[in-house]
Amino acid sequence: EAQVTQNPRYLITVTGKKLTVTCSQNMNHEYMSWYRQDPGLGLRQIYYSMNVEVTDKGDVPEGYKVSRKEKRNFPLILESPSPNQTSLYFCASSQGLAGDWETQYFGPGTRLLVL
Amino acid sequence: SQQGEEDPQALSIQEGENATMNCSYKTSINNLQWYRQNSGRGLVHLILIRSNEREKHSGRLRVTLDTSKKSSSLLITASRAADTASYFCAMNAGGYQKVTFGTGTKLQVIP
Repeated sequence: EAQVTQNPRYLITVTGKKLTVTCSQNMNHEYMSWYRQDPGLGLRQIYYSMNVEVTDKGDVPEGYKVSRKEKRNFPLILESPSPNQTSLYFCASSQGLAGDWETQYFGPGTRLLVL
Repeated sequence: SQQGEEDPQALSIQEGENATMNCSYKTSINNLQWYRQNSGRGLVHLILIRSNEREKHSGRLRVTLDTSKKSSSLLITASRAADTASYFCAMNAGGYQKVTFGTGTKLQVIP
């Protein structure tokens, strides 16, 4: 089944404790992206990647890191989480310039609480 | 960067009625898309309209785009309880890489 998976789905952590949220897609998509969703603000793009080893900042990159060493994986790293990073996080992918680049497929989300 | 503004923020209708939600944006776009989100789950792509198109249909969905007013609307006809969800517009401006989303409309369809 074509899908985007994220792990973990739920995470409670404390301020300053480094964490990684994994994202993987099995559709051979070139483009991958991370978003955070907060009430009243819709989704805001954190980082995106057009292909392996190519990443760039979205609208709210502060406090986050990403890497794209393999085409299928795009982990989101919070080096020193703070309470204002408490949010619902989504990973998404699309074919990119290889095809239908507009249609993004979303993962199920990761709900993060930073105490 | 711009972010879409959607209205209404919330909409409650009876099953069988039509639901209309609107999205406004600030700068020129290449295309505009609509997504549905069921209760905190992942978003699902519904329909895309390009900047040179004015109207598009997909099943019970009708999308319009008015680039002069920088606005789009999504009409769901003959709504069903299963349409209860949040609906977001999303747009690409300039390069395809950056995507900005609207703030969303929460639709409740009462059986």
